[in-house]
Amino acid sequence: ETGVTQTPRHLVMGMTNKKSLKCEQHLGHNAMYWYKQSAKKPLELMFVYNFKEQTENNSVPSRFSPECPNSSHLFLHLHTLQPEDSALYLCASSQHSGATTDTQYFGPGTRLTVL
Amino acid sequence: KQEVTQIPAALSVPEGENLVLNCSFTDSAIYNLQWFRQDPGKGLTSLLLIQSSQREQTSGRLNASLDKSSGRSTLYIAASQPGDSATYLCAVNEGYSTLTFGKGTMLLVSP
Repeated sequence: ETGVTQTPRHLVMGMTNKKSLKCEQHLGHNAMYWYKQSAKKPLELMFVYNFKEQTENNSVPSRFSPECPNSSHLFLHLHTLQPEDSALYLCASSQHSGATTDTQYFGPGTRLTVL
Repeated sequence: KQEVTQIPAALSVPEGENLVLNCSFTDSAIYNLQWFRQDPGKGLTSLLLIQSSQREQTSGRLNASLDKSSGRSTLYIAASQPGDSATYLCAVNEGYSTLTFGKGTMLLVSP
């Protein structure tokens, strides 16, 4: 196991629902990330948090709202999603965003289906 | 904008073969390059990280090379095993952990 956990592992929601994805890292890292992996597309970086501060928002629609209450927990709040938002959402953590040797450790992902 | 391309998209080999996966990137101003493995329905596992000043890294049966000037990296897998079956992803780090990924190579090693 990588030390990064994500819940739930699977989620089916309607377009009018509100749900949240949770990520927790047990590695003592300072940086956390959300990625989106759609079929036949490369992983896309969504958000980066470094020491609980958001340092990157990669032009993500406002229907995705991240929250990082501390360096061990990361949430992705979802509301009024579209079917094209169906994807595997991956969380990752690393020791420090910016170091040239920084390696990211990934969680198992949440498979999201929007009906 | 950085683009990462991986060839081939899929590869099927019999057990025991040595194989090479290719990765190319368009902007050579990178901090490092990483190879990851992804099993179906699971997250990514980091295999090797090559810093921009390095030429190669080795871990067990895996060897990754980097030619930054030409924008290329290869992942060599020796004596492949069925347990190596997975999708292999290449990612370049352009700074502040901004990773740009390729689409991956899906590898199937048959017994």
